[in-house]
Amino acid sequence: DAKTTQPPSMDCAEGRAANLPCNHSTISGNEYVYWYRQIHSQGPQYIIHGLKNNETNEMASLIITEDRKSSTLILPHATLRDTAVYYCIVPDSWGKLQFGAGTQVVVTP
Amino acid sequence: GAVVSQHPSRVICKSGTSVKIECRSLDFQATTMFWYRQFPKQSLMLMATSNEGSKATYEQGVEKDKFLINHASLTLSTLTVTSAHPEDSSFYICSARIGPTVYQETQYFGPGTRLLVL
Repeated sequence: DAKTTQPPSMDCAEGRAANLPCNHSTISGNEYVYWYRQIHSQGPQYIIHGLKNNETNEMASLIITEDRKSSTLILPHATLRDTAVYYCIVPDSWGKLQFGAGTQVVVTP
Repeated sequence: GAVVSQHPSRVICKSGTSVKIECRSLDFQATTMFWYRQFPKQSLMLMATSNEGSKATYEQGVEKDKFLINHASLTLSTLTVTSAHPEDSSFYICSARIGPTVYQETQYFGPGTRLLVL
C-alpha cells in the first residue's frame, strides 16, 4: 500500500495560489491519489482525485508528475476559508483511506 | 457532491451507558460505509468498514464488542458505543462510498459526532 509524505504546515497569503506538495513514491499503476481537507471540527471534505492526467474542478487543480511519484494540489486563489488540514491519500488495497498528519494550511490576510 | 449526515452532532452521556450514532447517505446509495475516530490534535483513525447486509470489518486494535456497527440498508449505518467510558470521548466520523470499485470510488464524509462521556 502506498504511503504519502506531506509537509506539516505552510502559510499562504489570501488571494495567492497555494501549492501543496505530496510524495507517493511507492504508488502502483492503478492507484488513485485523493485529496481531502478538514476544516476545524468538521468532517473531511473531498477535493479532487486523479490517476495519471492532471485534473481540475471548481475547487482545485491536481498536477501529477509523469512518473506518478508525486503530485501537487493547487488552490488557485486562496481565501481565509481555505484554512484547513489538507490530506493527500492513496487508498489501500481494500479501498480504505488511512489518514496521515496532512498539511496544516493557514491562509493569512 | 454527495451528502452524508450524522445524528446526533454531539452527545453527552454518563459512564456505563450506550450511545448510538447514525450515519445516512442522503442522495445516494452507499454499498460501503466507514467509521473513523479522531482525538484532539490527532488525525482520523479508521475504526471499521461496513458493507450493507454483512458484518463489519474492524481495524486492528478496535474492539468489535464495544463498537457495534450495523449497516442494515444502503443509506444507513449505525455505530453503537457500548458501556461508554471517559476514554471513549472523541469525535466520530462516518464516510460513505458509492460503489464497490475500491480504487476510484470517492468517499464522502459526514459532519461528525462529538461524544463526551462523563
